[in-house]
Amino acid sequence: DAKTTQPNSMESNEEEPVHLPCNHSTISGTDYIHWYRQLPSQGPEYVIHGLTSNVNNRMASLAIAEDRKSSTLILHRATLRDAAVYYCILRDWSNTGKLIFGQGTTLQVKP
Amino acid sequence: EAQVTQNPRYLITVTGKKLTVTCSQNMNHEYMSWYRQDPGLGLRQIYYSMNVEVTDKGDVPEGYKVSRKEKRNFPLILESPSPNQTSLYFCASSLSQAGRTDTQYFGPGTRLTVL
Repeated sequence: DAKTTQPNSMESNEEEPVHLPCNHSTISGTDYIHWYRQLPSQGPEYVIHGLTSNVNNRMASLAIAEDRKSSTLILHRATLRDAAVYYCILRDWSNTGKLIFGQGTTLQVKP
Repeated sequence: EAQVTQNPRYLITVTGKKLTVTCSQNMNHEYMSWYRQDPGLGLRQIYYSMNVEVTDKGDVPEGYKVSRKEKRNFPLILESPSPNQTSLYFCASSLSQAGRTDTQYFGPGTRLTVL
């Protein structure tokens, strides 16, 4: 399984943009890049996913490097509710459907 | 509301006393899965099910059983719990297992303590 590398923690001020990086240098051509987050005392929740092009949804944007070896999750205006652990996950054609969670990035949002 | 529910949310039990953690989804998903989350080890898959009557082991299946008699339910059974099964458990479901774009929906978690 292709691995991802993320910083252990990041801090942001409320209402400022946050850029959460992820390195995945061994990504294969068919791997999708997914982001999930886990709010305190809750189960993980889906944020966004992409393959090659940048993606936007109501929660966030995903910027994917041209060589696909890295990606960045962008929260345009961080709120206190965005404080969570963010996981960058690669999904391939594995028939187990398993999500491989690394340690993720713990995002702190300061008021 | 589309959701995955788990019961109980909290459970304290003793070694050897059989227990079942229930999981139910109302999204008509084919795929369901159980994970456990431990400090420093992250989330690890215990068992998964691709459809009714089809189950298979994940990465850490020892000491657990599952069944999938109905599409919506996927209970996790600990026949003889031991203290090393003290953990936070999450059930998840998705439309299918093979979709690289499929979103997995997670339940709220069950915190189990085995004394």
